[in-house]
Amino acid sequence: DSGVTQTPKHLITATGQRVTLRCSPRSGDLSVYWYQQSLDQGLQFLIQYYNGEERAKGNILERFSAQQFPDLHSELNLSSLELGDSALYFCASSQSGRINTGELFFGEGSRLTVL
Amino acid sequence: GQQLNQSPQSMFIQEGEDVSMNCTSSSIFNTWLWYKQDPGEGPVLLIALYKAGELTSNGRLTAQFGITRKDSFLNISASIPSDVGIYFCAGLSSGSARQLTFGSGTQLTVLP
Repeated sequence: DSGVTQTPKHLITATGQRVTLRCSPRSGDLSVYWYQQSLDQGLQFLIQYYNGEERAKGNILERFSAQQFPDLHSELNLSSLELGDSALYFCASSQSGRINTGELFFGEGSRLTVL
Repeated sequence: GQQLNQSPQSMFIQEGEDVSMNCTSSSIFNTWLWYKQDPGEGPVLLIALYKAGELTSNGRLTAQFGITRKDSFLNISASIPSDVGIYFCAGLSSGSARQLTFGSGTQLTVLP
């Protein structure tokens, strides 16, 4: 158990819909990262938050957005869903400060299926 | 963007055998890391390497940070069934907003 909690574990929805994925980082971790894992793309970095502020952005689509709340939990919002958005979405947290050391603790992921 | 070439893509080995996998990049990384992902789980950090030439062990796992900073390898000795999973290399470049670049993974199957 990494200490990172993600909900829901599985989600099935239709194209055009909107979903929200939730992540609670490990106790004390201020940094939260979101990754997308699909069969053909591997693990792709989406976005990082540090103590409530956006820290870095990766290959995140404009249809996707995220935020980190004062209690440090984070949500990833995916809208206007397309078939190609079907993937595993991982949240990770880190005990490092603003500078990323690469030592991340991953949750079990949320598997999104878009039909 | 930066890309990591990880090989082999998959491996089938007998229990007790040693395993070697590697990652190469056209870019320099300041940190190399190796993660393992079990089915239905998120990746778990195995080893982190911070210095070119560094050789680090974690039990039966040994990893090295290449001198050129463009490659790394992971060795697993005397494999056991629980070594099954996907192994990912990851590189971290310099810069204030640096992020991990992951390799495509090596799927390891250990046959009894």
